[in-house]
Formats: sequence, structure tokens, C-alpha cells
Amino acid sequence: QKEVEQDPGPLSVPEGAIVSLNCTYSNSAFQYFMWYRQYSRKGPELLMYTYSSGNKEDGRFTAQVDKSSKYISLFIRDSQPSDSATYLCAMARNAGNMLTFGGGTRLMVKP
Amino acid sequence: EPEVTQTPSHQVTQMGQEVILRCVPISNHLYFYWYRQILGQKVEFLVSFYNNEISEKSEIFDDQFSVERPDGSNFTLKIRSTKLEDSAMYFCASPRPGLSRGEQFFGPGTRLTVL
Repeated sequence: QKEVEQDPGPLSVPEGAIVSLNCTYSNSAFQYFMWYRQYSRKGPELLMYTYSSGNKEDGRFTAQVDKSSKYISLFIRDSQPSDSATYLCAMARNAGNMLTFGGGTRLMVKP
Repeated sequence: EPEVTQTPSHQVTQMGQEVILRCVPISNHLYFYWYRQILGQKVEFLVSFYNNEISEKSEIFDDQFSVERPDGSNFTLKIRSTKLEDSAMYFCASPRPGLSRGEQFFGPGTRLTVL
């Protein structure tokens, strides 16, 4: 079983749709959860950073963590074509520890 | 916003040659990290460096790899004898001053091609 799993997609949605991206994980020691956006052949860009269970909102992005189910989500409201990218979840046991990444979900937002 | 910078952006080398990848992390931070991403695969952790010492390393980071801080601001990743399977994007990352050290900001990467 992989430590962090993501559906690779591609996920195709029309502009303006609400997008839901998800990751599951197996290691209950993970406490810090991140979402990154990566454009082709570029470095990952940090979108959201959360600690433990709960919700966090930043603009059009909402991150949810359910540690009891080992399941995290990223919601994107009013999706735009510029949101088309690969979204990576990442997690760590403690702040400053190595990040373990999922394989990424490719999102395509069509105008 | 301060950014992580990396040089070169693309490095082509022959198998068996040594390569040095350079990173300038966000200033005034003691933590930095190296990751790699083979084309089409996930981002993988290589090594973390704190206060001039390796704090964590993965199985990938074997004796062929080394990391140094040659001066106050630059960090390097050296691969002593490159193999074809070392071809990948190499990213360094560091936290930003004033934010949690868990928030890792990535550089643009160096694309390493081993022929």
C-alpha cells in the first residue's frame, strides 16, 4: 500500500465549477498536510498548509483534513482555466520533517 | 516575496560524470531540503539540512550524493558518478522567515539529463 494516494486524473471541469481533489494516506503519524500546485516542468507552489484535522479557507481554496479517516481534500471554488495544473498533496509527521507526496491529480478547467 | 533560486536550470552530463546543483534558499533560514522528481512520477524527498548538518535523508540519498553549504548563502547537491536513472528535476526548498518551518517553498528546479 502506498503511503499517500491520489487519483491521477485527468479531472476535466467547465470554468466556474467547484473542484474537489482528494488524498488518502496510511501513516497515522502524519500531522501536517499541504497542497501544492505544479505547472508542467515547474517547481511545486504551496497553496495550503494545515495542521491536524479541520478546515482552512484561503480565497477560492478550502482544505479539509479528516485524520480519523486518513483523508484530505482541497476544494477550488469558481475554477478558472488558469487553475489547470497538477495538484499535489503532501504531508509530514512534524513541522520541518521531510514531505511525503502523493502522485498528483491533473486538473483541466475548460473555458 | 523572497524566493528560492536554483542554478543551472538545465544540466546535461555524461553517465559517470560528477554534477553539482546549486541552490540559494530563502535567506536567514537554517532549514533547507532537496527533492527530486523523475518525469511523470511523484516528488521524492532526498535530504534535509539543518544548521549545517544533515537532519534526515532517504534511501535514495546514498554514497553517490552529498550536500554542502560552501558559503553563508549557497547550498549544493553533488552527485559523484551520475547514472542514467539520476535524470530528473531536482528541487530545493526552504521555509520563509516568519512562517512555520513546516511550510516548504520550492525553487524552480534544475533539470538533470544524464546521457
